[in-house]
Amino acid sequence: DVVLTQTPSILSATIGQSVSISCRSSQSLLDSDGNTYLYWFLQRPGQSPQRLIYLVSNLGSGVPNRFSGSGSGTDFTLKISGVEAEDLGVYYCMQATHAPLTFGSGTKLEIK
Amino acid sequence: QVTLKESGPGILQPSQTLSLTCTFSGFSLSTYGMGVGWIRQPSGKGLEWLANIWWDDDKYYNPSLKNRLTISKDTSNNQAFLKITNVDTADTATYYCARITMMVIISYYFDYWGQGVMVTVSS
Repeated sequence: DVVLTQTPSILSATIGQSVSISCRSSQSLLDSDGNTYLYWFLQRPGQSPQRLIYLVSNLGSGVPNRFSGSGSGTDFTLKISGVEAEDLGVYYCMQATHAPLTFGSGTKLEIK
Repeated sequence: QVTLKESGPGILQPSQTLSLTCTFSGFSLSTYGMGVGWIRQPSGKGLEWLANIWWDDDKYYNPSLKNRLTISKDTSNNQAFLKITNVDTADTATYYCARITMMVIISYYFDYWGQGVMVTVSS
């Protein structure tokens, strides 16, 4: 199975600060169809996960543009440009290039 | 508006079969390119993908659960189902269903999620 390693596991930020989360894959996530099936989700406390980013860098519907995704191959990054209070929660990356689908272990964002 | 809602037994005993239902609206599993996936999350832990089912009845399972999983659908009632046989305490988790869409050759995973249903396996 593809292992996704997220760092850091805990991130503490002040309001307005820009932060980045890394997701590194044990295998390239470039599919034979030319797409890279790397996703980012946010799970706020007590809520279901919500999709933020799909296919590495595409913003999900209704997701604020302070979120951005980048990367290729095995290295991916989620950036929040100007953290807001509502951004606290656990962020997960997920890959769907290789079966089975796998998730990273999560990065908890705390607000100072 | 797309919504999904999971339902299940709440609590069951080891060795029993867990039956989960995902009732959805705003899309149809008889429409080309539509799918539903199941994901679970033990309390305080991460996410684990379990299975997907597609509009054409294609099914995919996480091999880590070996042959314990069965996914199915009822398109006329807008429902998807997941059964897990021979449960034990390690299957205690919140279970989510989520929508998948495919356009052309690209699959777009989990854009809408249900609220989740808690399942406890205990003797």
